[in-house]
Amino acid sequence: KQEVTQIPAALSVPEGENLVLNCSFTDSAIYNLQWFRQDPGKGLTSLLLIQSSQREQTSGRLNASLDKSSGRSTLYIAASQPGDSATYLCAVRTGYSTLTFGKGTMLLVSP
Amino acid sequence: DADVTQTPRNRITKTGKRIMLECSQTKGHDRMYWYRQDPGLGLQLIYYSFDVKDINKGEISDGYSVSRQAQAKFSLSLESAIPNQTALYFCATSDSREAGELFFGEGSRLTVL
Repeated sequence: KQEVTQIPAALSVPEGENLVLNCSFTDSAIYNLQWFRQDPGKGLTSLLLIQSSQREQTSGRLNASLDKSSGRSTLYIAASQPGDSATYLCAVRTGYSTLTFGKGTMLLVSP
Repeated sequence: DADVTQTPRNRITKTGKRIMLECSQTKGHDRMYWYRQDPGLGLQLIYYSFDVKDINKGEISDGYSVSRQAQAKFSLSLESAIPNQTALYFCATSDSREAGELFFGEGSRLTVL
């Protein structure tokens, strides 16, 4: 059974710092990996989707990498801003319906 | 307007009551899902549907039922609500033709007293 772990569970940084969020998974036979952002009491917003054949995806200040062989993905956020404060979740797809979520990293960016 | 709309957004009910959560989407996606989110447990799949006549159980389907009335609508029912069904419920959609990216609604917070 696929297990997805996100470390750290919480992270607090001052504005302007570059930071890395980590996601690890136990079964490397994945179709894709998706990073989401969730604001308190809100739905999940898709940030980046990396297919199993890809090594990274970029959107603005965000860069996600994927290393299937080691079962790891990282989300890099450049020049963090207070508006980046949210919970970040990664989810790994191993089948048509099988999407396994991590429990998230809660990020706080202070001014 | 949101691409994936859930109603109601908040609901408080009593044990034993029947509750329906509704989801509609304007993305034209064929696949729809219902998830439940509990603090510390992450998201768990309740039911999913790949087309109008297709219904499939997820990890935690006991106590729930669904109906896919049209490609754009997918409803979740709790026939007899119990307190441990208190949670945040999310509807999500994806397009089988487009890489499997998942899009979520804003969520429905359900409290069962």
